[in-house]
Amino acid sequence: EADIYQTPRYLVIGTGKKITLECSQTMGHDKMYWYQQDPGMELHLIHYSYGVNSTEKGDLSSESTVSRIRTEHFPLTLESARPSHTSQYLCASSLSHNTDTQYFGPGTRLTVL
Amino acid sequence: QKEVEQNSGPLSVPEGAIASLNCTYSDRVSQSFFWYRQYSGKSPELIMSIYSNGDKEDGRFTAQLNKASQYVSLLIRDSQPSDSATYLCAVNVGMDSNYQLIWGAGTKLIIKP
Repeated sequence: EADIYQTPRYLVIGTGKKITLECSQTMGHDKMYWYQQDPGMELHLIHYSYGVNSTEKGDLSSESTVSRIRTEHFPLTLESARPSHTSQYLCASSLSHNTDTQYFGPGTRLTVL
Repeated sequence: QKEVEQNSGPLSVPEGAIASLNCTYSDRVSQSFFWYRQYSGKSPELIMSIYSNGDKEDGRFTAQLNKASQYVSLLIRDSQPSDSATYLCAVNVGMDSNYQLIWGAGTKLIIKP
C-alpha cells in the first residue's frame, strides 16, 4: 500500500477564501502530481513536479499554484476559491522512471459555496 | 489532441463470467499503459501495467496490448461482486520531463450475483 497522504479529506468553504490542500509521501518519490476529477469524469492533470524546486502546469487550466520545497511535500493553493473549484483533488507520486506506477492519495473533496 | 477512449458503460456481467474492458488511444508513440480500479468515492489503485505487445497475466486479470491497433484491454476472469467498480485506462504521452499520463473517463463495471 502506497504511503501518500492528503489533508483535509473534506473541505467546505466560502467563495473568496484562500485554501491550501496538503499532500505528503514517505516513499522518496521524485515525481508528484495533482489531478482534478469530477464525478464520473476522467482525471485531469493540473500540476506536476519532477523534483525539488521543479513545478509545471498540466493540461487543465487551473487558478491554483503549487510548490515543491521538500521531496515529500507538494501542497496546492487556491488564492481565492470559487464555486467552479468544487471538485475532487487527487495527489499522486511515482519514482523517477517514465514507466513507473503512479500511486494515489485518498483525495480531498472540496466544496466552495 | 491526444486522447484515451473507453466505453462508459455500465457493463453488466454475471458473477463467475469474464468481464472484458476496452481502451483505445490516439498517440502512436505511447509506451506505457495502465489499468486502474476506482471504487465510488475512492482514489484509483493500480491493477495492471503493460509495456509490450501481447498478453500479461496477474491472477484473475489479463491485460492485452496491440500497439499497431492502438488498443489495450483488460480481462477479468471469474468475476466477483467485489470487482464492481470503475476501471480507468491510462496511457503515457511524452518522455522524461514531458512525461504525463492521459486518462480515459473509465468504464463502470457491475458484477451481478
